[in-house]
Amino acid sequence: QVQLQESGPGLVKPSGTLSLTCAVSGGSISSSNWWNWVRQPPGKGLEWIGEIYHSGSTNCNPSLTSRVTISLDKSKNQFSLKLSSVTAADTAVYYCARADTNAGRNWFDPWGQGTLVTVSS
Amino acid sequence: DIQMTQSPSSLSASVGDRVTITCRASQSISNYLNWYQHKPGKAPKLLIYAASSLQSGVPSRFSGSGSGTDFTLTISSLQPEDFATYYCQQSYSTPFTFGQGTRLEIK
Repeated sequence: QVQLQESGPGLVKPSGTLSLTCAVSGGSISSSNWWNWVRQPPGKGLEWIGEIYHSGSTNCNPSLTSRVTISLDKSKNQFSLKLSSVTAADTAVYYCARADTNAGRNWFDPWGQGTLVTVSS
Repeated sequence: DIQMTQSPSSLSASVGDRVTITCRASQSISNYLNWYQHKPGKAPKLLIYAASSLQSGVPSRFSGSGSGTDFTLTISSLQPEDFATYYCQQSYSTPFTFGQGTRLEIK
């Protein structure tokens, strides 16, 4: 079955750029799915960051869109997140997830295990 | 953005209890509503999609209902492994949004 695994630096300096990669195994990133990023700040709920399709089309949360870049690398079967100008408010566990779809409805399954990114000098 | 409001925010219950969690959307979302279970340090797990469809492999004690703006997740008989935080999520329109979570604790 499809499995996702996030990777990237666990510590980013304020005003820097957070960069994460999600490796997809057991399936192709070129399948008819959207690939998503979701985050959870400490003690808070889940926030959707954005998504990308294998065509390269993206959708992002308007609250983050000016700082977010989502891309994919078909040769490596992975997709990536870049978040610029980070502050302490961007400290969170970052998850990648596949959006599965049926009859126009979609849902996130599976998810990666998540990776904690701390913004601190 | 569509706001999702869950109630209660936390809940204490015992093994064997029947538990219901409610999720309300700020506008009609038809049945574009999903439920997830989240345990600390683990990946969130899909339980229910499209408001009432049970994800493969999820025990039948979990069920979902609702349409429009009001939805419920019911656990018919709590098991020890069910103590976790539960989130609803709308997929009607972007930005996709989650409820604030319901923390289910052992009484």
